[in-house]
Amino acid sequence: QVQLVESGGGVVQPGRSLRLSCAASGFTFSSYGMHWVRQAPGKGLEWVAVIWYDGSNKYYADSVKGRFTISRDNSKNTLYLQMNSLRAEDTAVYYCARETYRCGGDCSYYFDYWGQGTLVTVSS
Amino acid sequence: DIQMTQSPSSLSASVGDRVTITCRASQSISSYLNWYQQKPGKAPKLLIYAASSLQSGVPSRFSGSGSGTDFTLTISSLQPEDFATYYCQQSYSTPPAIFTFGPGTKVDIK
Repeated sequence: QVQLVESGGGVVQPGRSLRLSCAASGFTFSSYGMHWVRQAPGKGLEWVAVIWYDGSNKYYADSVKGRFTISRDNSKNTLYLQMNSLRAEDTAVYYCARETYRCGGDCSYYFDYWGQGTLVTVSS
Repeated sequence: DIQMTQSPSSLSASVGDRVTITCRASQSISSYLNWYQQKPGKAPKLLIYAASSLQSGVPSRFSGSGSGTDFTLTISSLQPEDFATYYCQQSYSTPPAIFTFGPGTKVDIK
């Protein structure tokens, strides 16, 4: 069965760095685009970043551009999010999610599997 | 960037009620619209993709409709396990694959 397991969250001071990991299993990881989505406490979902199946393209939300880097190691079935220059407003649960494209009459890209999330708290 | 809005932001309903949530995109997104359900402390769960396609394993009381800029999620007969927050998501803008979410609609017990 498909599993996504995040790790690496914790408490970090403003301005410091943290790297999140998302270990994938139960599917051919190298065939899927992967995303990071975050959710600040009591708030809605915010899309953060995407990396294509082969790592050839990466895109970021404006709120993290220049500070966060998404990457993947297809030999290890693992997705990463390197977070630098962290701010209090980066405090959130971070989820990794698998992107699937399907046409059921109409077409769409969507997130069919999510990890359980890892909490990042930026505080002095 | 494409912006998503949802209405209402919250609603109170009773078991057995028919519930409708609306999502609107700032520009046409064809059918590239998905719906997710999230319960407290849990990851979101996909309900509907491509505006109206029911994800495998999701009860048939959930349905989606719409295209272009206006979309609807309907729960035909609300069940106790349906009390949750619902988010729409557009996936039209790819590349660069920026799949923005709506602000959410919280459904709670009347």
